[in-house]
Amino acid sequence: AQTVTQSQPEMSVQEAETVTLSCTYDTSESDYYLFWYKQPPSRQMILVIRQEAYKQQNATENRFSVNFQKAAKSFSLKISDSQLGDAAMYFCAPTQGGSEKLVFGKGTKLTVNP
Amino acid sequence: GAGVSQSPRYKVAKRGQDVALRCDPISGHVSLFWYQQALGQGPEFLTYFQNEAQLDKSGLPSDRFFAERPEGSVSTLKIQRTQQEDSAVYLCASSLRGHGGYTFGSGTRLTVV
Repeated sequence: AQTVTQSQPEMSVQEAETVTLSCTYDTSESDYYLFWYKQPPSRQMILVIRQEAYKQQNATENRFSVNFQKAAKSFSLKISDSQLGDAAMYFCAPTQGGSEKLVFGKGTKLTVNP
Repeated sequence: GAGVSQSPRYKVAKRGQDVALRCDPISGHVSLFWYQQALGQGPEFLTYFQNEAQLDKSGLPSDRFFAERPEGSVSTLKIQRTQQEDSAVYLCASSLRGHGGYTFGSGTRLTVV
């Protein structure tokens, strides 16, 4: 079964600083998609950023960017200019089996300090 | 609707009771997914529909779990004879089709006592 490892159970960052959340995964597929989702205490998962594995260019969405290294099966999330509203659980999730099905890591809890 | 709606938001069931959890996806979304999220864990896949067809139910933990989407819109996840290990948040998500990412609902927190 595909596994996703988020090695940092908790991270903290000062407001306006930059933080990077790590994610590694295993897969035998060559074409897949990767996502980062944010889950605040309200429980609703919110899509942060999406990466297509066949694209070498790293995805960027405003203050959020990824460092995707396909050969290393690594997909880290960088948050720049951190804001208090960024505090949440962050989950890394690649697709599996050529479908839209996602496999989630255990998450990283991000705290933003004022 | 504007988002994915799930009901009830909270459900307390006595062990052995049957429960039904509802998901109302975004109008026009073809794909619908159910995930189970235990406390302190990431969501785990349960099942997936494309319109009314259940294409993958490999994640359903036992034959006590049953999901349906008879008209290709609203979906119901039914759990029969609930057990304590069924306590979790059940998340529903929908997407147009393809790999653009899902829109999730706020989930139903099920507590079995």
